[in-house]
Amino acid sequence: IAGITQAPTSQILAAGRRMTLRCTQDMRHNAMYWYRQDLGLGLRLIHYSNTAGTTGKGEVPDGYSVSRANTDDFPLTLASAVPSQTSVYFCASSETVGSSGREQFFGPGTRLTVL
Amino acid sequence: GQNIDQPTEMTATEGAIVQINCTYQTSGFNGLFWYQQHAGEAPTFLSYNVLDGLEEKGRFSSFLSRSKGYSYLLLKELQMKDSASYLCAVTDSNYQLIWGAGTKLIIKP
Repeated sequence: IAGITQAPTSQILAAGRRMTLRCTQDMRHNAMYWYRQDLGLGLRLIHYSNTAGTTGKGEVPDGYSVSRANTDDFPLTLASAVPSQTSVYFCASSETVGSSGREQFFGPGTRLTVL
Repeated sequence: GQNIDQPTEMTATEGAIVQINCTYQTSGFNGLFWYQQHAGEAPTFLSYNVLDGLEEKGRFSSFLSRSKGYSYLLLKELQMKDSASYLCAVTDSNYQLIWGAGTKLIIKP
């Protein structure tokens, strides 16, 4: 593994189903993030984690949950998917949070369609 | 509220120069990033400004004026591969990134 990986690459999901998007990084970054990207809108932060064992809510957290059991993995779960959650989801990481100049590195994204 | 404004789309000619503007209003300021995103791909880091002035990196330069809440990304000697979206993002007082919607740059031969 080099950088950040996400799985699956794409998924079509029936409304009401539960879905977990996986994210793994091998850079030993402390901070990780989940964003959604919709046409015409900027990246919107769903949840973040400053370090293993801690998580926080971003701009659009409703309907999503995360966990950070270790440094490398940061899964995003949709408990009961709805069509408005159709989007491209990006996982990102950075060395730290709380200091400026720390660029974020992005995974390749997961394209999710909820029908 | 927090707001990042960029033009939605711009068109330029191969070999020319283009300037993409970004204005921001955020709760606090801890730096401004520019990212490049090709269609169907992830954003990748281009530049970072935290002090006023111009940062040059090869064909790309980025400028910041904190007093005006303004930045621009300057792309010189445009190449077809520069066709992409360019995202402006500001680090707010909580060190979270606030993202603009991006500027789609179309390069014509």
